[in-house]
Parts: sequence; C-alpha cells; structure tokens
Amino acid sequence: AQTVTQSQPEMSVQEAETVTLSCTYDTSESDYYLFWYKQPPSRQMILVIRQEAYKQQNATENRFSVNFQKAAKSFSLKISDSQLGDAAMYFCAYRSADGAGSYQLTFGKGTKLSVIP
Amino acid sequence: GAGVSQSPSNKVTEKGKDVELRCDPISGHTALYWYRQRLGQGLEFLIYFQGNSAPDKSGLPSDRFSAERTGESVSTLTIQRTQQEDSAVYLCASSLVRISGTSSAKNIQYFGAGTRLSVL
Repeated sequence: AQTVTQSQPEMSVQEAETVTLSCTYDTSESDYYLFWYKQPPSRQMILVIRQEAYKQQNATENRFSVNFQKAAKSFSLKISDSQLGDAAMYFCAYRSADGAGSYQLTFGKGTKLSVIP
Repeated sequence: GAGVSQSPSNKVTEKGKDVELRCDPISGHTALYWYRQRLGQGLEFLIYFQGNSAPDKSGLPSDRFSAERTGESVSTLTIQRTQQEDSAVYLCASSLVRISGTSSAKNIQYFGAGTRLSVL
C-alpha cells in the first residue's frame, strides 16, 4: 500500500515571501500521479497542482510550483509571493496510474500554513 | 450544479442513532467518491461509484456504513448505530469520468464542503 508523509504539521510565512511544504511518499509503482490540495476553513478541498510521475518537468501553476524528485520519492510545493488567501491546510495526495486503486487518492495528514501580514 | 453539494453542512446526533448524509455531484460526472476526515488527519477513502458498475466498498470501516447511488445522480452515505469514533468530516467528490492511467482534466476529483458529523 502507498503512504504519504507530510512532516511539517504547521508552517508560517511572511506575506510576499516564499515557502516550501514538504511531502514524501512510499510506493513500489513506477507510474502514478501526485497532487497538492488546499483546504481553507470552508472545508472544500481545492486542487492546487498536479504532477504525472512519467514527466520529468516540474509542474507550475502561477505562484505554485513543485519540486518532484522521483528517485527520492519527494514532492514539495513552493508558494511564491505568499498572499493572505494562501492560509489553509495543504494536503499532498497520491494516486496510482492503473489497477484496482487507480481512482483512490491517498492523502498525507496535512500542513497548516499561516500567512503573517 | 456548479459544484459538488453536500447536506447537511453540520450534523449533531446521539450515540446509537442512524444518520444519512447526502452528496449531489457535479452534473454529468459519472464517478463519485466518499472520504472521511478525522480531526487533524488526512482524508481516508470510503467508497467509490462509477456509473452503473458495482461500487468499490473496500474503504468502508464497518458494516454500519453503507452508501447508495442511483445512476449518475445523488448519493447517500448512511451510518447506522453511530459511535463517537464516527465523528468526522465526511467529504464527497466527483469526477467527469474515470479513465485508467490518465490524469487528464476528466479525472480530477472535485470536492464538496463536507458534512461535519458530531456524535455525542
């Protein structure tokens, strides 16, 4: 079974600064997908960014980018120019590319990000 | 609808009572998922529906939990004889279609705001 670990329960960042959230995962599969979801106090999970494991190029979405290190099984999220609206819980998630579990998302326990004005 | 809708937003119940949680997926989405989020934890997969196929119930924690979905419409998650450990946020998600081996926009899971269940 796959596991996802987020080692930072809480992080804080000054507004306009950059912060990196860590995520590692354990899998024996070679093809899979990784995601970062944001959960604000409203509870609704919002997809921030996704990465296909077969792609070497790191995904980027505006101020959000990832550092995907497949060999190290690491998938960190970098938020540039942090804004107050970025304050939320951030969850790293894994999904198999194929097979019986290819629709389930396996989540880490989350990192609570605070943005300091 | 515009997004995944869940009701009620909050539910308080007494231990031993049955509860029913509702999820209305995005119109046209064939796949529907239920997850449970305990306090301070990530989401745990509960059950998955895809069209008219048999659901994958492998994540249901006990036989007190059941879920139904008729076609590609509303789903209900029922918890019988609730226990205090059932207290959690129950989140529903839907996706347009499940295509094995793809992370295209069609397979992205869109979440509702969840139902916070408190069992006293």
